[in-house]
Order: sequence, then structure tokens, then C-alpha cells
Amino acid sequence: DAGVTQSPTHLIKTRGQQVTLRCSPKSGHDTVSWYQQALGQGPQFIFQYYEEEERQRGNFPDRFSGHQFPNYSSELNVNALLLGDSALYLCASILLATGANYGYTFGSGTRLTVV
Amino acid sequence: DAKTTQPPSMDCAEGRAANLPCNHSTISGNEYVYWYRQIHSQGPQYIIHGLKNNETNEMASLIITEDRKSSTLILPHATLRDTAVYYCIASSGSARQLTFGSGTQLTVLP
Repeated sequence: DAGVTQSPTHLIKTRGQQVTLRCSPKSGHDTVSWYQQALGQGPQFIFQYYEEEERQRGNFPDRFSGHQFPNYSSELNVNALLLGDSALYLCASILLATGANYGYTFGSGTRLTVV
Repeated sequence: DAKTTQPPSMDCAEGRAANLPCNHSTISGNEYVYWYRQIHSQGPQYIIHGLKNNETNEMASLIITEDRKSSTLILPHATLRDTAVYYCIASSGSARQLTFGSGTQLTVLP
């Protein structure tokens, strides 16, 4: 059973560029959350998608946007990249109806480096 | 979500029990205690969660104090593969966002 799949695994971008990261949730899951993890810190919540809509959002600027597709997969888009956006971006999925009873399944992340 | 406090680091001998403490003195009645761990260069992995009763699964045991202000994650027979950062999170569940702190770096020594 495939878990959460993220692509690409590594990415190097230049300041000011735009980037799109992709996530396929675990089979049977319908909700996707994105997290940013800077080096040496815990993951920080960016936003969550359910039924193709953004349901919750953390303290991130509008440069960060997302999308969820009918097959539950998701994209994270970051515009006007800054050096400070360099981080590991994690995708996590869950079946919303069981949210209180199970934990999230996380992918291995996309390592984004902005130069 | 309630703030949690964990020691920054702990060591444990291989084969011994690892007991990781967490304080969550402001936890509310509807908040669960979740534990995740993150092995270097991987995404976090769910371990266990509980509301007020002690819980056990194939990975670990979770002991929550009666007043729910603190908890302990127990890995009964730690192995080198248990070396990771362990995060204690208080959340109301229902797929709420997770607020990660700095966690505890557990190092299992041979």
C-alpha cells in the first residue's frame, strides 16, 4: 500500500521564480495538509485541503497557494521565491471522518533550495 | 491548541525502555495528546495518541496523568532505529492542524 508520495524530491530555484510541488495522498485518504520545515525546526502548518477547498490556513503569505484535485491529489505553489523559502516541504494526508482516531500519514518531503 | 513542553534531548541504552516526557498543563478537555517521530531526512511518523486513558500499540505506550497536564511516551525496548526527534502535540483531533514544537532528540546508544 503506497503511502503519501511527493514529487520532486529535490528542487533548486532562483529567487523570484515560482515553484509547484505535488502530493498524492495515501490510498483512501481525502484530506491533504502541507507543512514547511526549516532546518533544525519542527514542521509549520501551511494549509489544508478537503473537497477541493482550502479549509484551514496557517500564518503564511498569499505567495503560498494550493489546489486539490478530484482524485484528492494536491499541489503547493509558491510565487516570488525568497531565500527564506528554502526548506523541506511536507505533505500529510488523512481520512477526515476518522481524524480524531488516527494520525496523519506524511510523505518524505520535497527539499526546496532557493539560490 | 495547547502548548507542549519537551526536553530538547535524551539518551537511552539499546534494549532499555525509553521514557519521553511531555508537559501540556493548559490542555483542554477535548484535546488529544498525539506523538509523532521524525527520523532524519524523513517525514514525521504517527506513533500513538490518547485522550485520558493510557494507550498501547505495537510501537509504544502512552501514559497520561490523571489531571492530563503531562504524559509520557514509552518505547519498551529501544533500538538504534528509534533514534529520532519525538514530537508531543495537543490537538482537538478531527483532522485539525498539528502544531509542532521543537521536540525531543532521542539518541539510542549501542
